[in-house]
Amino acid sequence: AAGVIQSPRHLIKEKRETATLKCYPIPRHDTVYWYQQGPGQDPQFLISFYEKMQSDKGSIPDRFSAQQFSDYHSELNMSSLELGDSALYFCASSLRAGWKGYTFGSGTRLTVV
Amino acid sequence: AQKITQTQPGMFVQEKEAVTLDCTYDTSDPSYGLFWYKQPSSGEMIFLIYQGSYDQQNATEGRYSLNFQKARKSANLVISASQLGDSAMYFCAMREGPGANSKLTFGKGITLSVRP
Repeated sequence: AAGVIQSPRHLIKEKRETATLKCYPIPRHDTVYWYQQGPGQDPQFLISFYEKMQSDKGSIPDRFSAQQFSDYHSELNMSSLELGDSALYFCASSLRAGWKGYTFGSGTRLTVV
Repeated sequence: AQKITQTQPGMFVQEKEAVTLDCTYDTSDPSYGLFWYKQPSSGEMIFLIYQGSYDQQNATEGRYSLNFQKARKSANLVISASQLGDSAMYFCAMREGPGANSKLTFGKGITLSVRP
């Protein structure tokens, strides 16, 4: 069965650079969530989209933005990267109708140097 | 207040024995869901088990069962017959609301080490 696909798996950026993370949800899933997990930390909710509209917002820095496209894939754009942005970024997807849970991608490990 | 509390910093269990990982939660929403995820050192988040607030019976999935005590607001994970591959970080998480597109809130996690 198709899973949630995240790309890239690993990313190394320098301070003040920008990064774009991509997420391809399970086909027909209409909701996408982004989480940030710092080293040794629990995942923190950043933002979610339902049917291409932002549905909820968590502790997402102003330097970050995200959107969901017409094909339901989502991108998390991160600018002016800081060392503290180094983390594992997860995308998860779910289906609103007949909700059966969340499926997580394998994550993108971002290292800012 | 913390929505999900996991106070055990690390747990050790002998292979083939059972282990209980504790989780307490805090919500005023009558409709919520509780989840357990396993995160091995490779980093992926693996779904283990789900318990809905209105479910009458405790959830079970193979070697995993959830000891749901609603009045005490606890949702402990029981792993039976531990295996070496169970060594990982375990997160308890909660979804508040009926679930349509509600986010998950995670606890701090518990590290489980299985000894041969």
